[in-house]
Amino acid sequence: QKEVEQDPGPLSVPEGAIVSLNCTYSNSAFQYFMWYRQYSRKGPELLMYTYSSGNKEDGRFTAQVDKSSKYISLFIRDSQPSDSATYLCATEGGADGLTFGKGTHLIIQP
Amino acid sequence: DAGVTQSPTHLIKTRGQHVTLRCSPISGHKSVSWYQQVLGQGPQFIFQYYEKEERGRGNFPDRFSARQFPNYSSELNVNALLLGDSALYLCASSTGTLNTEAFFGQGTRLTVV
Repeated sequence: QKEVEQDPGPLSVPEGAIVSLNCTYSNSAFQYFMWYRQYSRKGPELLMYTYSSGNKEDGRFTAQVDKSSKYISLFIRDSQPSDSATYLCATEGGADGLTFGKGTHLIIQP
Repeated sequence: DAGVTQSPTHLIKTRGQHVTLRCSPISGHKSVSWYQQVLGQGPQFIFQYYEKEERGRGNFPDRFSARQFPNYSSELNVNALLLGDSALYLCASSTGTLNTEAFFGQGTRLTVV
Protein backbone atom coordinates (compact mmCIF):
# COMPACT_ATOMS: atom_id res chain seq x y z
CA GLN A 1 0.00 0.00 0.00
CA LYS A 2 1.35 3.40 -1.03
CA GLU A 3 1.87 5.72 1.92
CA VAL A 4 -0.16 8.59 0.44
CA GLU A 5 -3.13 7.88 -1.83
CA GLN A 6 -4.70 10.51 -4.05
CA ASP A 7 -7.27 10.20 -6.85
CA PRO A 8 -5.55 11.40 -10.06
CA GLY A 9 -8.81 12.66 -11.60
CA PRO A 10 -9.28 14.60 -13.78
CA LEU A 11 -11.76 16.59 -11.71
CA SER A 12 -13.74 19.10 -13.77
CA VAL A 13 -15.95 21.76 -12.12
CA PRO A 14 -17.58 25.02 -13.30
CA GLU A 15 -16.07 28.37 -12.43
CA GLY A 16 -17.21 29.63 -9.02
CA ALA A 17 -17.80 26.17 -7.56
CA ILE A 18 -16.29 24.93 -4.31
CA VAL A 19 -13.62 22.33 -5.01
CA SER A 20 -12.80 19.51 -2.61
CA LEU A 21 -9.51 17.62 -3.04
CA ASN A 22 -8.63 14.70 -0.82
CA CYS A 23 -5.85 12.33 0.20
CA THR A 24 -5.46 9.45 2.60
CA TYR A 25 -2.26 8.35 4.27
CA SER A 26 -1.20 5.20 6.06
CA ASN A 27 1.59 6.19 8.50
CA SER A 28 0.11 7.48 11.74
CA ALA A 29 3.51 8.98 12.67
CA PHE A 30 3.09 11.77 10.08
CA GLN A 31 2.55 15.13 11.78
CA TYR A 32 2.90 17.69 8.98
CA PHE A 33 0.77 17.81 5.86
CA MET A 34 1.34 19.97 2.81
CA TRP A 35 -0.53 20.97 -0.31
CA TYR A 36 1.30 21.94 -3.48
CA ARG A 37 -0.01 23.24 -6.80
CA GLN A 38 1.81 22.31 -9.98
CA TYR A 39 1.18 23.86 -13.38
CA SER A 40 2.17 21.94 -16.48
CA ARG A 41 5.95 21.77 -16.97
CA LYS A 42 6.62 23.74 -13.78
CA GLY A 43 7.88 22.88 -10.31
CA PRO A 44 5.41 22.40 -7.42
CA GLU A 45 4.38 25.58 -5.59
CA LEU A 46 3.69 25.37 -1.84
CA LEU A 47 0.13 26.46 -0.98
CA MET A 48 0.12 25.74 2.74
CA TYR A 49 1.00 23.24 5.43
CA THR A 50 -0.81 22.14 8.57
CA TYR A 51 0.39 20.50 11.75
CA SER A 52 -1.54 17.60 13.25
CA SER A 53 -5.35 17.72 13.09
CA GLY A 54 -7.40 20.84 12.40
CA ASN A 55 -8.07 23.49 9.80
CA LYS A 56 -5.95 26.21 8.25
CA GLU A 57 -7.25 28.94 5.98
CA ASP A 58 -5.41 31.15 3.48
CA GLY A 59 -7.58 33.30 1.27
CA ARG A 60 -9.78 31.04 -0.87
CA PHE A 61 -7.93 27.91 0.29
CA THR A 62 -8.69 25.82 3.39
CA ALA A 63 -6.66 22.77 4.41
CA GLN A 64 -8.14 20.22 6.77
CA VAL A 65 -6.53 17.24 8.49
CA ASP A 66 -8.36 14.46 10.34
CA LYS A 67 -5.70 12.27 11.95
CA SER A 68 -8.25 9.84 13.37
CA SER A 69 -9.23 8.80 9.84
CA LYS A 70 -5.86 9.68 8.22
CA TYR A 71 -7.65 12.00 5.81
CA ILE A 72 -6.30 15.25 4.28
CA SER A 73 -8.48 17.74 2.41
CA LEU A 74 -8.04 20.98 0.47
CA PHE A 75 -11.04 23.18 -0.27
CA ILE A 76 -10.97 25.93 -2.87
CA ARG A 77 -13.76 28.50 -2.72
CA ASP A 78 -14.90 30.61 -5.68
CA SER A 79 -12.77 28.55 -8.05
CA GLN A 80 -11.19 30.36 -11.02
CA PRO A 81 -9.90 29.06 -14.37
CA SER A 82 -6.41 30.02 -13.16
CA ASP A 83 -6.80 27.36 -10.43
CA SER A 84 -6.64 24.69 -13.13
CA ALA A 85 -3.53 22.68 -12.26
CA THR A 86 -2.41 19.48 -10.58
CA TYR A 87 -2.73 19.53 -6.80
CA LEU A 88 -0.33 17.40 -4.79
CA CYS A 89 -0.72 16.46 -1.15
CA ALA A 90 2.41 15.54 0.80
CA THR A 91 3.48 14.44 4.24
CA GLU A 92 6.73 15.30 6.01
CA GLY A 93 8.77 12.19 6.75
CA GLY A 94 11.85 13.69 8.40
CA ALA A 95 14.95 12.04 6.96
CA ASP A 96 12.71 10.30 4.43
CA GLY A 97 11.81 13.65 2.87
CA LEU A 98 8.36 14.51 1.60
CA THR A 99 6.03 11.70 0.55
CA PHE A 100 3.69 12.85 -2.20
CA GLY A 101 0.42 11.56 -3.57
CA LYS A 102 0.07 11.10 -7.33
CA GLY A 103 -1.64 14.48 -7.67
CA THR A 104 -5.19 15.37 -8.76
CA HIS A 105 -5.59 17.12 -12.11
CA LEU A 106 -8.17 19.90 -11.61
CA ILE A 107 -9.95 21.65 -14.47
CA ILE A 108 -12.05 24.77 -13.83
CA GLN A 109 -14.42 25.37 -16.73
CA PRO A 110 -15.12 29.07 -17.54
CA ASP B 1 14.59 37.57 -4.39
CA ALA B 2 15.64 34.68 -6.59
CA GLY B 3 13.90 31.40 -5.96
CA VAL B 4 15.44 27.97 -6.35
CA THR B 5 17.30 27.82 -9.65
CA GLN B 6 18.13 24.63 -11.52
CA SER B 7 20.26 24.01 -14.56
CA PRO B 8 19.99 22.91 -17.24
CA THR B 9 16.24 23.13 -17.90
CA HIS B 10 16.26 20.36 -20.49
CA LEU B 11 18.72 17.61 -21.27
CA ILE B 12 18.86 14.67 -23.68
CA LYS B 13 21.30 11.86 -22.93
CA THR B 14 22.01 8.40 -24.34
CA ARG B 15 21.68 5.19 -22.33
CA GLY B 16 24.85 4.44 -20.38
CA GLN B 17 25.96 8.05 -20.18
CA HIS B 18 26.44 10.10 -17.04
CA VAL B 19 24.57 13.32 -16.13
CA THR B 20 25.10 16.14 -13.61
CA LEU B 21 22.22 18.38 -12.57
CA ARG B 22 22.74 21.57 -10.58
CA CYS B 23 20.70 23.48 -8.02
CA SER B 24 21.10 26.81 -6.25
CA PRO B 25 18.89 27.19 -3.17
CA ILE B 26 17.11 30.30 -1.96
CA SER B 27 19.53 32.64 -0.19
CA GLY B 28 19.73 31.70 3.49
CA HIS B 29 18.45 28.15 2.96
CA LYS B 30 20.86 25.48 4.16
CA SER B 31 18.96 22.36 3.11
CA VAL B 32 18.62 21.01 -0.41
CA SER B 33 16.55 18.00 -1.42
CA TRP B 34 16.27 16.20 -4.75
CA TYR B 35 13.16 14.54 -6.15
CA GLN B 36 12.36 12.56 -9.28
CA GLN B 37 8.96 13.03 -10.91
CA VAL B 38 7.92 10.71 -13.72
CA LEU B 39 4.91 11.59 -15.86
CA GLY B 40 1.62 11.12 -14.05
CA GLN B 41 3.21 10.56 -10.64
CA GLY B 42 4.04 12.68 -7.63
CA PRO B 43 7.67 13.59 -6.90
CA GLN B 44 9.72 10.83 -5.26
CA PHE B 45 12.41 11.65 -2.70
CA ILE B 46 16.01 10.93 -3.72
CA PHE B 47 18.31 12.81 -1.28
CA GLN B 48 18.38 15.54 1.34
CA TYR B 49 21.52 17.46 2.25
CA TYR B 50 21.81 19.81 5.20
CA GLU B 51 24.96 21.75 6.01
CA LYS B 52 26.85 19.70 3.39
CA GLU B 53 25.99 16.38 5.04
CA GLU B 54 23.64 13.75 3.63
CA ARG B 55 20.64 13.66 5.93
CA GLY B 56 18.38 11.28 4.09
CA ARG B 57 18.27 9.02 1.09
CA GLY B 58 15.29 7.56 -0.74
CA ASN B 59 14.95 4.18 -2.40
CA PHE B 60 17.19 4.82 -5.40
CA PRO B 61 20.14 2.75 -6.69
CA ASP B 62 23.77 3.67 -6.07
CA ARG B 63 23.94 5.09 -9.59
CA PHE B 64 22.43 8.20 -8.01
CA SER B 65 24.70 10.38 -5.91
CA ALA B 66 24.72 13.98 -4.76
CA ARG B 67 26.72 16.51 -2.86
CA GLN B 68 26.31 19.96 -1.36
CA PHE B 69 28.93 22.68 -1.59
CA PRO B 70 30.02 25.27 1.02
CA ASN B 71 27.72 27.85 -0.62
CA TYR B 72 24.82 25.35 -0.15
CA SER B 73 24.38 24.73 -3.88
CA SER B 74 24.07 21.11 -4.86
CA GLU B 75 24.72 18.63 -7.66
CA LEU B 76 22.86 15.43 -8.46
CA ASN B 77 24.82 12.87 -10.45
CA VAL B 78 23.37 9.86 -12.22
CA ASN B 79 25.66 7.23 -13.75
CA ALA B 80 24.94 4.54 -16.34
CA LEU B 81 21.67 6.15 -17.43
CA LEU B 82 18.68 3.93 -18.16
CA LEU B 83 15.60 4.75 -20.22
CA GLY B 84 13.63 4.65 -16.96
CA ASP B 85 15.64 7.58 -15.60
CA SER B 86 13.76 9.89 -17.97
CA ALA B 87 11.87 12.26 -15.66
CA LEU B 88 11.60 15.76 -14.25
CA TYR B 89 14.27 16.19 -11.57
CA LEU B 90 13.27 18.69 -8.93
CA CYS B 91 15.36 20.46 -6.35
CA ALA B 92 13.81 21.92 -3.20
CA SER B 93 15.37 24.14 -0.57
CA SER B 94 14.36 24.88 3.01
CA THR B 95 15.88 26.75 5.92
CA GLY B 96 16.40 23.71 8.13
CA THR B 97 15.91 19.98 8.09
CA LEU B 98 12.13 20.16 8.33
CA ASN B 99 10.51 20.15 4.90
CA THR B 100 7.25 21.87 5.84
CA GLU B 101 8.23 24.96 3.86
CA ALA B 102 10.24 23.43 1.04
CA PHE B 103 10.34 25.54 -2.10
CA PHE B 104 10.89 23.86 -5.43
CA GLY B 105 12.73 24.94 -8.54
CA GLN B 106 11.35 24.59 -12.06
CA GLY B 107 13.12 21.28 -12.52
CA THR B 108 15.40 19.72 -15.10
CA ARG B 109 13.65 17.59 -17.68
CA LEU B 110 15.93 14.66 -18.50
CA THR B 111 15.23 12.48 -21.52
CA VAL B 112 17.28 9.30 -21.95
CA VAL B 113 17.24 7.82 -25.46
